[in-house]
Amino acid sequence: DTGVSQDPRHKITKRGQNVTFRCDPISEHNRLYWYRQTLGQGPEFLTYFQNEAQLEKSRLLSDRFSAERPKGSFSTLEIQRTEQGDSAMYLCASSSTSAETQYFGPGTRLLVL
Amino acid sequence: AQSVTQLGSHVSVSEGALVLLRCNYSSSVPPYLFWYVQYPNQGLQLLLKYTTGATLVKGINGFEAEFKKSETSFHLTKPSAHMSDAAEYFCAVSPGGYSTLTFGKGTMLLVSP
Repeated sequence: DTGVSQDPRHKITKRGQNVTFRCDPISEHNRLYWYRQTLGQGPEFLTYFQNEAQLEKSRLLSDRFSAERPKGSFSTLEIQRTEQGDSAMYLCASSSTSAETQYFGPGTRLLVL
Repeated sequence: AQSVTQLGSHVSVSEGALVLLRCNYSSSVPPYLFWYVQYPNQGLQLLLKYTTGATLVKGINGFEAEFKKSETSFHLTKPSAHMSDAAEYFCAVSPGGYSTLTFGKGTMLLVSP
């Protein structure tokens, strides 16, 4: 059990550029969640998958954001045409359907200049 | 809908003193409640959780929390603070457990020697 991993850990980009983050969940966890955490706030839910199906999306997930989990294993979160307001820590978590605990990765910190 | 309120964005204690971090929740269904800790530039680590059954739950590093339904509270305590406890603490609620988490804004615990 190697835990949830995220890549990259840090990303600096210019406004208007596209960025993509990757999350590898704990193996055999079929639920995967994305959260966003801004400075001074708690994490806020963005979206979650059960296997490859995206079951729920938050209103925070504008049409510039897209998430995929094509084979039910790793997931990617893409932000198109980044804005300065997208600067945040993006957290991934995973869980099994038989357990309620979500395990978090170290996060990807995005800075949009 | 769910919500979490954490009283006090910052709590300062002396090493060896009692730690008390407050959390009140709102949930339309029986809640599952969680406390997570976050160290700088890291993801969230689960401290403890309440699902059903015993209302006093014990977690890692000597922390415990008590679920009080009548007060809609789930306060986190530790009898004696240690310098290594300095971190940010988040309370979270999940409706029925197998769903997305709603977090409070967090409480930064500062421990002085």
